[in-house]
Amino acid sequence: ILNVEQSPQSLHVQEGDSTNFTCSFPSSNFYALHWYRWETAKSPEALFVMTLNGDEKKKGRISATLNTKEGYSYLYIKGSQPEDSATYLCAFGSNYQLIWGAGTKLIIKP
Amino acid sequence: DAGITQSPRYKITETGRQVTLMCHQTWSHSYMFWYRQDLGHGLRLIYYSAAADITDKGEVPDGYVVSRSKTENFPLTLESATRSQTSVYFCASSEGRFGSYEQYFGPGTRLTVT
Repeated sequence: ILNVEQSPQSLHVQEGDSTNFTCSFPSSNFYALHWYRWETAKSPEALFVMTLNGDEKKKGRISATLNTKEGYSYLYIKGSQPEDSATYLCAFGSNYQLIWGAGTKLIIKP
Repeated sequence: DAGITQSPRYKITETGRQVTLMCHQTWSHSYMFWYRQDLGHGLRLIYYSAAADITDKGEVPDGYVVSRSKTENFPLTLESATRSQTSVYFCASSEGRFGSYEQYFGPGTRLTVT
């Protein structure tokens, strides 16, 4: 059974601090690794889709790295702002399925 | 407006009743998906469709039926609702199947089965 693990489950961060969290996934049959941001009362929105080992993607203060050989990806948020409060989902894509992690819930304290 | 919409947004139904959740997208994406989201679980795929008249089971298909007669619509039917089907249901679409294509999600339908 393929499993995608995200850690931590939840995280409280002071406004202005930087933070990061992890997505672990199977290292075989890899096709892509997705990161989504999911705000309360809204629907998930894609942040990044990464396909190559060593990929690094950046969008504003948010960036992600990918290590397909060891099966992990990190999401970094620099200088957290209240609007960053959300659940961050990762999903492992093989050529025939997309398996979702349970998410990391990020709460920014003012 | 372009996008993906779901209706109803909230639904309460009784055990044993049939209920249909609607999903409509305006991008002409080939692929459409139905997920359910429960506390403590990631999104779980119920069914997906590669094109009109082509559907396939996902991880948790039991008790659900789908159809796709037109590219833009992908309704999900609970044939005889059970309490275990109380959940939030998300419809999504994408240009491609799974790997490198991002998925676009609808706003969700919160279904309660009493």
